[in-house]
Amino acid sequence: AQSVTQPDIHITVSEGASLELRCNYSYGATPYLFWYVQSPGQGLQLLLKYFSGDTLVQGIKGFEAEFKRSQSSFNLRKPSVHWSDAAEYFCAVGVYNFNKFYFGSGTKLNVKP
Amino acid sequence: DGGITQSPKYLFRKEGQNVTLSCEQNLNHDAMYWYRQDPGQGLRLIYYSQIVNDFQKGDIAEGYSVSREKKESFPLTVTSAQKNPTAFYLCASTSSGGSQPQHFGDGTRLSIL
Repeated sequence: AQSVTQPDIHITVSEGASLELRCNYSYGATPYLFWYVQSPGQGLQLLLKYFSGDTLVQGIKGFEAEFKRSQSSFNLRKPSVHWSDAAEYFCAVGVYNFNKFYFGSGTKLNVKP
Repeated sequence: DGGITQSPKYLFRKEGQNVTLSCEQNLNHDAMYWYRQDPGQGLRLIYYSQIVNDFQKGDIAEGYSVSREKKESFPLTVTSAQKNPTAFYLCASTSSGGSQPQHFGDGTRLSIL
């Protein structure tokens, strides 16, 4: 069965520090992978997506993610965090041909001044 | 601008009452989804529809109903059978296949009076 695990519920980093949010997935074929960000009381906004090809993908707002098939991971990174990055982040996997998506439980990011 | 519109933003339900949440999209997407979001639980799929006049139950469909009479519209009814309806409800759409990211509305927060 497909599943997505985000092992960190909360993460706090200092402004200007680097960030890595972890995501592990369980899926039998090559996955379609996504990272979304959600501000309080808002919907989800797509940060980046991986379909195939280059395993390092660039997204909006300076985020990037690396697909590692051997580790079933798709971790999100940012070299220098800004206070405006404080939000909740969701990793998701898409099931091709079934139009279904599976989401992790989210990681809430706090940014210290 | 294309997007998804959810209304109302806030909704209150009385005991024994059915309420309907609206979701409209002008992205010409075939697939539409309803998710429920509770703190710490990520997004849980209620119903989804891949085409007009067809829909499937998600993981937590009990106490909810939907219709898909038009491509642009996918309303969700929270029935009196749903004993714990207080949550944030998100509507999403995508073009096809599970390989394209979902677009999300800004959500409806439902509370019990």
